Amino acid sequence: KAGVTQTPRYLIKTRGQQVTLSCSPISGHRSVSWYQQTPGQGLQFLFEYFSETQRNKGNFPGRFSGRQFSNSRSEMNVSTLELGDSALYLCASRRLAGAQPNEQFFGPGTRLTVL
Amino acid sequence: DAKTTQPPSMDCAEGRAANLPCNHSTISGNEYVYWYRQIHSQGPQYIIHGLKNNETNEMASLIITEDRKSSTLILPHATLRDTAVYYCIVRGLRYNAGNMLTFGGGTRLMVKP
Repeated sequence: KAGVTQTPRYLIKTRGQQVTLSCSPISGHRSVSWYQQTPGQGLQFLFEYFSETQRNKGNFPGRFSGRQFSNSRSEMNVSTLELGDSALYLCASRRLAGAQPNEQFFGPGTRLTVL
Repeated sequence: DAKTTQPPSMDCAEGRAANLPCNHSTISGNEYVYWYRQIHSQGPQYIIHGLKNNETNEMASLIITEDRKSSTLILPHATLRDTAVYYCIVRGLRYNAGNMLTFGGGTRLMVKP
């Protein structure tokens, strides 16, 4: 079974630009969560989606947004990029029902560099 | 989710057992102990989880104390590829809207030849 995939793997942007990252969950997984990881702050929860609705949100500004499609694929968008947005953005999916409903599986991440 | 405490770093000789401790003294009765690891610049990888009984899978063993206030992840024969940051997390098994993973600092395990 294919794992969680994220595209692109690497991205370089400049301040003020916007960026869209994509995540495809494991087949059959309904929930997609996004995390930001930086050396200073560690791994921080951004938001979670299932059934195309945001279900939970971390403490990030409104510049960070996301959405989920009917096939469970998800995108996150960051507008007006700042230098501090440079980070590894991780996507994780979970099944929500059946065997191991709450176990999260992570993708390889998208490394975003803001210049 | 209950707070966990882990040592920031540990060393282990290749081929020896790596024993990674975690304290979770405020764990509640319906919360499980989960372990993930993150190899440099990759996404976290699920290792194992348990409630109160010891658990074993192809990657590791999980020993949970009788009072459930602490646990130990055991990698029986550590290899250089086990060098990673190991995260101990406690959370409920069943999904709820507030049940996202909360990662602490983890333990940086360095396996040395």
